[in-house]
Amino acid sequence: DGGITQSPKYLFRKEGQNVTLSCEQNLNHDAMYWYRQDPGQGLRLIYYSQIVNDFQKGDIAEGYSVSREKKESFPLTVTSAQKNPTAFYLCASSLTGGSTYEQYFGPGTRLTVT
Amino acid sequence: AQKITQTQPGMFVQEKEAVTLDCTYDTSDPSYGLFWYKQPSSGEMIFLIYQGSYDQQNATEGRYSLNFQKARKSANLVISASQLGDSAMYFCAMRRAGFKTIFGAGTRLFVKA
Repeated sequence: DGGITQSPKYLFRKEGQNVTLSCEQNLNHDAMYWYRQDPGQGLRLIYYSQIVNDFQKGDIAEGYSVSREKKESFPLTVTSAQKNPTAFYLCASSLTGGSTYEQYFGPGTRLTVT
Repeated sequence: AQKITQTQPGMFVQEKEAVTLDCTYDTSDPSYGLFWYKQPSSGEMIFLIYQGSYDQQNATEGRYSLNFQKARKSANLVISASQLGDSAMYFCAMRRAGFKTIFGAGTRLFVKA
């Protein structure tokens, strides 16, 4: 079955450590996205990529980094520079051709930093 | 500034009745797309329905319909014949140029038996 996988579902880290969240898709989508969701709030865009080896900052990119070396993979690194990293992180993908470009989401990773 | 506003933090509806979830948006772009997503307690986002800014007719997908009023910049979601499984968070979203999408704060829907 096609879809998006994110692992792990829950992640715990100590303050000051970098942590990488994985996102893999087998939908053959060109575009991939990372969002952050805080309790009781909507999603905010961190980074997005429309094609391999290219990505753009979203609305809250500070303290995060990404890479897009393969079409299927778009890992997100939460660096120690991110002041409030504890949040729910969602990865998504979409087509770049067509008319709707709806995004398909993974199950999310809940990151807790103490 | 481009913005999505959902003014209903929580809504209650009786099972089998219809419910409308409000969404207003602000953009100066002539071309944009509007989406509704459902987020159950499990956390994943589920795409429900899409409306393009140039679409003449309101979008429908099964029990979901989108009441698109372009002049008022509103894109309300109507769920007909509510079911207990419809209890979830619902997010309105707008696709901007370059595939960037912004989301509203969401509305939590409670369906009562």
